[in-house]
Amino acid sequence: ETGVTQSPTHLIKTRGQQVTLRCSSQSGHNTVSWYQQALGQGPQFIFQYYREEENGRGNFPPRFSGLQFPNYSSELNVNALELDDSALYLCASSLDNGNTIYFGEGSWLTVV
Amino acid sequence: GESVGLHLPTLSVQEGDNSIINCAYSNSASDYFIWYKQESGKGPQFIIDIRSNMDKRQGQRVTVLLNKTVKHLSLQIAATQPGDSAVYFCAEELSFGAGTTVTVRA
Repeated sequence: ETGVTQSPTHLIKTRGQQVTLRCSSQSGHNTVSWYQQALGQGPQFIFQYYREEENGRGNFPPRFSGLQFPNYSSELNVNALELDDSALYLCASSLDNGNTIYFGEGSWLTVV
Repeated sequence: GESVGLHLPTLSVQEGDNSIINCAYSNSASDYFIWYKQESGKGPQFIIDIRSNMDKRQGQRVTVLLNKTVKHLSLQIAATQPGDSAVYFCAEELSFGAGTTVTVRA
């Protein structure tokens, strides 16, 4: 196990709603990255947080936002959900923006 | 767009044979590459990495080869086992390719 935990594991939301996904990093890791993985696709980088500051962002609209807390846990928030937001959302942690990242098991989001 | 991609989406291998999974990248300035394994219902799992100042790195039953001239890397799995059945991704820093599904035949 990687020590990265995500919640909830599965959830269903209605189009237009908002969702918050949570991630607890591996102990001592101060960097967290979030990915979206659609069925049959590779993970797509959403953004990364390092010591509570956004440290890079992929090609996702502003309705995807995040937070990293002093204990380095993290949240991914998605507003105005669309059907295409249905995917597995993965959180990954690393130390000092290091290259080796450790993934959680993900949160499956279904938007109906 | 994606900076990394895999040559084949699927690979079927006989148990005990060696597997080779290929990946091409487009950014010649890329410095760090990682191979991940993702089993059904799980998050990606780190397998092995390589930096651009190397052309080969070996792990337990796995070898990664990097050819910077043609911007190509490969993952070799020796003596493939049923537990190796999974989707394999190459990644350049934070950017993932689409994945190759490896199926091991008994």
